[in-house]
Amino acid sequence: DVKVTQSSRYLVKRTGEKVFLECVQDMDHENMFWYRQDPGLGLRLIYFSYDVKMKEKGDIPEGYSVSREKKERFSLILESASTNQTSMYLCASSPSGGTNSYEQYFGPGTRLTVT
Amino acid sequence: DQQVKQNSPSLSVQEGRISILNCDYTNSMFDYFLWYKKYPAEGPTFLISISSIKDKNEDGRFTVFLNKSAKHLSLHIVPSQPGDSAVYFCAATVNTNAGKSTFGDGTTLTVKP
Repeated sequence: DVKVTQSSRYLVKRTGEKVFLECVQDMDHENMFWYRQDPGLGLRLIYFSYDVKMKEKGDIPEGYSVSREKKERFSLILESASTNQTSMYLCASSPSGGTNSYEQYFGPGTRLTVT
Repeated sequence: DQQVKQNSPSLSVQEGRISILNCDYTNSMFDYFLWYKKYPAEGPTFLISISSIKDKNEDGRFTVFLNKSAKHLSLHIVPSQPGDSAVYFCAATVNTNAGKSTFGDGTTLTVKP
């Protein structure tokens, strides 16, 4: 059973703080993703990674960076948190190769509030 | 430019009736489509998918229809149950994109007992 875990369910940070969101998957998946979900805007891709130390920008990478030092772990970093980064953050993973790579497995999400 | 659109933010149906959720896309390169279901305070979970070489895929109460000429897909739930109440996301992907999908805004389905 695929499991994707995220380090926190709820997080409150102050403007200007550096924020780390951690994601771990236990199914040896090559691909990992970070999304944010906002009302009326669906899921928007921030960054994704298809291998260790590899990363690609998604649709809204501004203000974010990522790190993937180990295959099972994908971290999202807010270098200097701002109030417009208040959102639900979702991590996902998928295997590589064939149509199985299209199905993504999501973590429970982290509700981040920046005050 | 929103490539995947779900034009109905919400849908309400009676238990036992059919629920039809719609999704439109603009990118003709998309060749695989998925539906995800999301309950509050949980991450989305995969529900059903369809390849562009098919026009229908069925899994129990859930059927997805694809009309490539219209760039339109729909999810049918028959019969609808109160436990189906959730947000449904449509997603589309291109074969060469390392599993990267483009998601729609979601439709909130409410099934009334």
